[in-house]
Amino acid sequence: DAGVIQSPRHEVTEMGQEVTLRCKPISGHDYLFWYRQTMMRGLELLIYFNNNVPIDDSGMPEDRFSAKMPNASFSTLKIQPSEPRDSAVYFCASSLPPRGRGADTQYFGPGTRLTVL
Amino acid sequence: AQSVTQLDSQVPVFEEAPVELRCNYSSSVSVYLFWYVQYPNQGLQLLLKYLSGSTLVESINGFEAEFNKSQTSFHLRKPSVHISDTAEYFCAVSDTGRRALTFGSGTRLQVQP
Repeated sequence: DAGVIQSPRHEVTEMGQEVTLRCKPISGHDYLFWYRQTMMRGLELLIYFNNNVPIDDSGMPEDRFSAKMPNASFSTLKIQPSEPRDSAVYFCASSLPPRGRGADTQYFGPGTRLTVL
Repeated sequence: AQSVTQLDSQVPVFEEAPVELRCNYSSSVSVYLFWYVQYPNQGLQLLLKYLSGSTLVESINGFEAEFNKSQTSFHLRKPSVHISDTAEYFCAVSDTGRRALTFGSGTRLQVQP
């Protein structure tokens, strides 16, 4: 399997522009997570889906951020309008459903480095 | 709410020396514990995890971690490090109610020749 695929790998945009980040999870994984990594706040969850349904979006910073999962093989994270403080590395991860009491491993994509000027 | 504390932001160590990266967590429910490693400009990779059973878990590249419930700790150890172990290491927790991971702030391991 190719692993979790994210695009673009790098994005440079100007303040006020719309940004769309894309993720293709590993085939057969029905959990999908979006995380953000910054120097100030470290790694933090933005939102996660189970079977394409958003389960927890408590980490989404504000209304400027939105995420969708129209089908099992694709998700988007959109920022509109973007601001310089949104500059970060955005990771997508996917996992299988937990077996019994266990929690399955999350597999991370390479990330998208977003710079908002 | 869960939280993870990694007290050491950087740990410099010489090659072939032992190392311990500390991780403490806080949670009101039973947790699952993970160590992830991040090499420069890459995503995170699972190093090892504790779900249940034996409190000592091992990875394929010589790392091990021990779950200590009374001390709410999950420290990562390696008896002899290599230059290639230079990376950032993240401790994380999740639980049965919330599948997402809560990460610590990370520890940068710098292995020097």
